[in-house]
Amino acid sequence: GIQVEQSPPDLILQEGANSTLRCNFSDSVNNLQWFHQNPWGQLINLFYIPSGTKQNGRLSATTVATERYSLLYISSSQTTDSGVYFCAVEFDTGNQFYFGTGTSLTVIP
Amino acid sequence: GAGVSQTPSNKVTEKGKYVELRCDPISGHTALYWYRQSLGQGPEFLIYFQGTGAADDSGLPNDRFFAVRPEGSVSTLKIQRTERGDSAVYLCASSFSGGTTEAFFGQGTRLTVV
Repeated sequence: GIQVEQSPPDLILQEGANSTLRCNFSDSVNNLQWFHQNPWGQLINLFYIPSGTKQNGRLSATTVATERYSLLYISSSQTTDSGVYFCAVEFDTGNQFYFGTGTSLTVIP
Repeated sequence: GAGVSQTPSNKVTEKGKYVELRCDPISGHTALYWYRQSLGQGPEFLIYFQGTGAADDSGLPNDRFFAVRPEGSVSTLKIQRTERGDSAVYLCASSFSGGTTEAFFGQGTRLTVV
């Protein structure tokens, strides 16, 4: 069946460290987005990346659609990076985004 | 507007009451989604509109939930005979045309049924 899996579920980093978050998905996709959910619950768009590589400041993302995974890289982490990171996927066959269970990131000073 | 706007931000209602949650999408966006997020979980799909029509309502949990988008812009999610299990954050998103276009989420409405 349809699956969107994220790993790791929880991550604690020292400020300044780098990290890689992973999203695996079960089928061909039209759309893949990475979001950061801040402590107030707002989903902040990070990347729209159904394929390829993008960079935005300290963040970058890569989606290898043929191998059904996406990676989010966070470099030189800051305490403001804390929160939950979600991968959301829209498959070729449907009209909805399927969210992974998220990675909860805590960056400590 | 500049982003997706949801009102109210918070709603507390008594069990059995009727509630309406409003979503104002980004101007010009034809696709609109409703999601529900429970504590510690990822958002779960409720319904998708393309223009005025509900193209996919497969996520609505039962017939107490209904949503409309009469003019293809603002949408209202309606919940009848609310139950304590309906307590969650209700999120709305819009995108230019659905499918391969980027979606943007509102700040959500936190519904508490007491």
